[in-house]
Amino acid sequence: GQQVQQSPASLVLQEGENAELQCNFSTSLNSMQWFYQRPGGSLVSLFYNPSGTKHSGRLTSTTVIKERRSSLHISSSQTTDSGTYLCASPSYQGGRALIFGTGTTVSVSP
Amino acid sequence: GPKVLQIPSHQIIDMGQMVTLNCDPVSNHLYFYWYKQILGQQMEFLVNFYNGKVMEKSKLFKDQFSVERPDGSYFTLKIQPTALEDSAVYFCASSRDWGQNTLYFGAGTRLSVL
Repeated sequence: GQQVQQSPASLVLQEGENAELQCNFSTSLNSMQWFYQRPGGSLVSLFYNPSGTKHSGRLTSTTVIKERRSSLHISSSQTTDSGTYLCASPSYQGGRALIFGTGTTVSVSP
Repeated sequence: GPKVLQIPSHQIIDMGQMVTLNCDPVSNHLYFYWYKQILGQQMEFLVNFYNGKVMEKSKLFKDQFSVERPDGSYFTLKIQPTALEDSAVYFCASSRDWGQNTLYFGAGTRLSVL
């Protein structure tokens, strides 16, 4: 079935460092969404990014549809960035069910 | 911003019992979703619901599962009877339309089946 792989699985940063999170799909995709999940908390949508590059504060999302991948760049990381980052895309079979990635857990220390 | 509320945050029940998970979606939203996340595993789609009907469901949405939203109240997920493998965090989400950019998630209900 359709698979979504995220890398790395976990990341430890010193405050101020940059980070690049990757998301790769096994099948074709038509859009991509990035979420942030606090430990034990709800998911917050960061980007809905069908293609190209989008910016939001210190975050940048780049989706390359043809290559079935998307990345999330965090610049000048802060301790409040700690949490799990998930990418998701609608199933290639259509409909609105999101297929989620395995997640990248980010820990930023002061 | 808009919030999706889930009640309770944690539920512990014995295997075989019935459980109802409640979701209070964003007030003007029309589409509702349940996702399931087993500890340490990926978030997985269960079902979506619109206009009183199930629109899509996955193979995880077993016959023991049902959803409803009577009279615009809570959007509920009922499991009857529960099984050990139903232990997971269940996330509710809602959206105003079909677009993923308007999807809002709740904080989840942790279900522990003993």
